[in-house]
Amino acid sequence: GEDVEQSLFLSVREGDSSVINCTYTDSSSTYLYWYKQEPGAGLQLLTYIFSNMDMKQDQRLTVLLNKKDKHLSLRIADTQTGDSAIYFCAAHPGLRFGNEKLTFGTGTRLTIIP
Amino acid sequence: DSGVTQTPKHLITATGQRVTLRCSPRSGDLSVYWYQQSLDQGLQFLIQYYNGEERAKGNILERFSAQQFPDLHSELNLSSLELGDSALYFCASSAKDGRGGTETQYFGPGTRLLVL
Repeated sequence: GEDVEQSLFLSVREGDSSVINCTYTDSSSTYLYWYKQEPGAGLQLLTYIFSNMDMKQDQRLTVLLNKKDKHLSLRIADTQTGDSAIYFCAAHPGLRFGNEKLTFGTGTRLTIIP
Repeated sequence: DSGVTQTPKHLITATGQRVTLRCSPRSGDLSVYWYQQSLDQGLQFLIQYYNGEERAKGNILERFSAQQFPDLHSELNLSSLELGDSALYFCASSAKDGRGGTETQYFGPGTRLLVL
């Protein structure tokens, strides 16, 4: 089955860019997602990318996908204190009947240093 | 606000007991997914229902069961509870159209279960 890995912690100075990395094992993963979880809250969908794309930009967020290396990254420009959260990468196989499940990474805890 | 609602927000119970968690998907979404988030296991997929029928199963224990009702809300039943079942339980929903549609899942705020 799919295995998704992330580093556990990242500390970034306020105003700098944050880059959160993720690797996955199933090359047929069709959809790749980034979710944000703030303390005591649920998961919030930030952005997603289809496997036929290599980059997607959405305001301060840039997602880069290297399909050959099965590597996904999320870049947050001008990181603010409100960006402090746990960020989860998730992979989805697309339409395979009976197996449409998201596999999540362990999450990366992003800490902003003032 | 994702549009997915879950009740209750918090639940405290004792070992051996049974609880029911409820989820209402976003309007129009046909699929409901249940996840468990715990400190030692991370975020794990439990089960998916699509339009009332079980669609996919993940790491769901036999003591746990779920169902999706005609109005598309779903319930997750946890029985013979153990200390290790203490976790945050999330529900998510997604929309599907005839050509596959989007697989994006929108998560509810979760139910925090504490088993004492």
